[in-house]
Amino acid sequence: AQSVSQHNHHVILSEAASLELGCNYSYGGTVNLFWYVQYPGQHLQLLLKYFSGDPLVKGIKGFEAEFIKSKFSFNLRKPSVQWSDTAEYFCAVNDPNSGNTPLVFGKGTRLSVIA
Amino acid sequence: NAGVTQTPKFRVLKTGQSMTLLCAQDMNHEYMYWYRQDPGMGLRLIHYSVGEGTTAKGEVPDGYNVSRLKKQNFLLGLESAAPSQTSVYFCASSIAAQETQYFGPGTRLLVL
Repeated sequence: AQSVSQHNHHVILSEAASLELGCNYSYGGTVNLFWYVQYPGQHLQLLLKYFSGDPLVKGIKGFEAEFIKSKFSFNLRKPSVQWSDTAEYFCAVNDPNSGNTPLVFGKGTRLSVIA
Repeated sequence: NAGVTQTPKFRVLKTGQSMTLLCAQDMNHEYMYWYRQDPGMGLRLIHYSVGEGTTAKGEVPDGYNVSRLKKQNFLLGLESAAPSQTSVYFCASSIAAQETQYFGPGTRLLVL
């Protein structure tokens, strides 16, 4: 079955630093890829998604992610983080071997941005 | 268009009590999901439904039951609450299994 790894559990950055959060999945094929963000005390919201086409996907709030098929990766990036980006970030991937099974979520990466 | 709503927002139960969490969506989505979120554990899927009248087990189904009698509602039941079920519960819905999931605001449950 599909699995998703987010290797960084907690990342601490200063404001204006660049961000890259890793996401790797186990099974290839036709994958749909997602990044969700959860601000403190709130629910998960979609940040960006990739279904097909240009492997560099731009999302809301200046985030982008790059799908590298050969590396089974979909890393999230932002050139310059702000304090308001403090949140937990979840990567999710479909299971290409099963049409009805839900998305598989990674365990999340907590981002703390300090002034 | 409210999206996904959850009732209640917060609940305290004593061990052994029962309760039902209600999830409602107004997007005409076929798929609905119940997750629990615990510190360091990420999101864990409890049960899900691929359409009205259907349910399926997720990763952590024990101690929970679900029903999908109407397309827009997905109920999560705890028959005999245990302290290990203290968690934040999120409901989500999607058009299809491989598509974007839309999440509700969550229910914080404390079992004493």
